[in-house]
Amino acid sequence: GAVVSQHPSRVICKSGTSVKIECRSLDFQATTMFWYRQFPKQSLMLMATSNEGSKATYEQGVEKDKFLINHASLTLSTLTVTSAHPEDSSFYICSAGQPDSGEKGEQFFGPGTRLTVL
Amino acid sequence: AQSVTQLDSQVPVFEEAPVELRCNYSSSVSVYLFWYVQYPNQGLQLLLKYLSGSTLVKGINGFEAEFNKSQTSFHLRKPSVHISDTAEYFCAVRFVSSASKIIFGSGTRLSIRP
Repeated sequence: GAVVSQHPSRVICKSGTSVKIECRSLDFQATTMFWYRQFPKQSLMLMATSNEGSKATYEQGVEKDKFLINHASLTLSTLTVTSAHPEDSSFYICSAGQPDSGEKGEQFFGPGTRLTVL
Repeated sequence: AQSVTQLDSQVPVFEEAPVELRCNYSSSVSVYLFWYVQYPNQGLQLLLKYLSGSTLVKGINGFEAEFNKSQTSFHLRKPSVHISDTAEYFCAVRFVSSASKIIFGSGTRLSIRP
């Protein structure tokens, strides 16, 4: 299957700083990437959908100015948590897929990034 | 509104016993169905998926699931579990008409006792 990587796998930062998380599709071109957040012992919550070359679509309740998403190429999407606070500490997971809404439109998930804000 | 419900937040079973993890969904449109497994501090691994065809789907690690359209269910089963199956399991749906957006259930923690 297709491989999606995330970098870094873990990051610890001070409150007020910004953190960038990268999501890469290693062996396929992903015109659509998704960012999820998972709090401890909870499910994955979709934060936003990013399409290459256009603005991301954010889910209700997600602050677009705080969680900046850039999908500048077909293999890379970045999530920047700006002015991070302890409540932003979470496990962030990306997935990459193709825009086809049929059976070929499968998503492939990255290994996740553990963000801890002190 | 579309939703995914996993009725059991935790399921404890003894090793080598059978297990069923329940999943129900609500949707007014056709869906694709998935089960994912998540080991501690790791991402998601696809166990199996139902896209079309036979309603009984076999996946990795000896798991299988059956799509029941009339009951809007997609329960996951394994006839004999191992200690290594201890993990969090997520049921998920993707709506056929959408551009790959996936909705996840709340997850079921499967704990295996020796």
